[in-house]
Order: sequence, then structure tokens, then C-alpha cells
Amino acid sequence: DAGVIQSPRHEVTEMGQEVTLRCKPISGHNSLFWYRQTMMRGLELLIYFNNNVPIDDSGMPEDRFSAKMPNASFSTLKIQPSEPRDSAVYFCASSSGLAGPYFSTDTQYFGPGTRLTVL
Amino acid sequence: KNQVEQSPQSLIILEGKNCTLQCNYTVSPFSNLRWYKQDTGRGPVSLTIMTFSENTKSNGRYTATLDADTKQSSLHITASQLSDSASYICVVSANQAGTALIFGKGTTLSVSS
Repeated sequence: DAGVIQSPRHEVTEMGQEVTLRCKPISGHNSLFWYRQTMMRGLELLIYFNNNVPIDDSGMPEDRFSAKMPNASFSTLKIQPSEPRDSAVYFCASSSGLAGPYFSTDTQYFGPGTRLTVL
Repeated sequence: KNQVEQSPQSLIILEGKNCTLQCNYTVSPFSNLRWYKQDTGRGPVSLTIMTFSENTKSNGRYTATLDADTKQSSLHITASQLSDSASYICVVSANQAGTALIFGKGTTLSVSS
């Protein structure tokens, strides 16, 4: 398997622009997670889906962030409008979700991340 | 307040030596604890996952321990290799559903020859 695929790998944009990050989970996995990592705050869970349904979005920082999972093989994280403080590495991860909608002890497999820079 | 603290913040050791990384948490109710290895510029890779009832789990040269009474965990690396140079992140899940993840800031390990 190719693992979790994220695109783009790098994104540079100007403040106020819309940014869309994309993720293709590992085939057969039914849980998908979006994370953000910065030097100051470390890793943070933003939102996760189980069977394409958002289970917990309490980590989404504000209304400028939205995530969708239209099918089992694709998810997007959108920031509109973007701000310089959104600059971070955004990771997508997937797991087999054997524990059901609450991921408990499932192993998560991370993608390579998208490095976002908002000028 | 749910918190995860890791120590040391950074560590330098010689190739072949052993080392131990610490993770202390104040998370309740506890669900499980994970250790991840993150190489520079890459996504984290899961090393171990331990529930309340487990006190030791190994993955090759990596051995994690958990003391749920003192709320402490350690990650022991045996016979370190240059490829062990990375950031090691401790993550604790709160509540039975495990939906709340509390992340440590990580320990940066450098293994030199």
C-alpha cells in the first residue's frame, strides 16, 4: 500500500486566501484524522471521521476551518480566509477503526504532512 | 487540567548506548497512552499503545512502561542507532471513548557516532 497520501506537500499563500489540503487514507481504513503541528503548540488533533462521518471536531480552532469526507478515499481540510497564524504542518492519519467510532487503541498511520506558510 | 509533560526536552547520546525518556501525565479518566517516533520532516510513526491494564510493551529495541498509579510512562531505547535520532512524542487519551488526545511536546533525541 502507498500509505496515507497528502497533497500538496508544500503550500505558500497570502493572508486572506483560501487553502485546501487533501488527504487519501489507506485503503480499507475507516477512521481519518486531521492534525496540526507547530513548534509552539506541538501536535493538535483538529477533527476525526469514522465511516465518513465527523465524530469530534472540538479541536477545530475556529469557523475559518472546515473539513469534509465525501467518500471513504478522500478528505479535505479547508481554511478560509487564511491567516499567518495558520502556518503549520498539517497531518492526515488513518486507522482501521476496529474500535468503532472511538478510536481507542487503533494504530494510526500518518501521512507525510503539508507544510503551510501563510504570508 | 489534562496535561502531558515529557523530559528531557532534548538528549544527546553515543551510538550503542541506552537511554530512557520520561512522560508524566495528569489525565483523567485515563484511556490509553501512545509513544510516537517522528523523524525530521516526516509524520509520526506509532511505536507502542498501552491501556490501563498494561505495564510493559516492547517494539524491537523500544520498550515502553506504564505506571497508572503514579501516572508515569517511560520509553527505553536499547543499543541506540543513528537512525534513532528523532523526536519522541507521548500522547495520552482521556475518557473511555478515547476521543480526547493530550499531546506532550516531545523529546528530541540525537544519537552521534
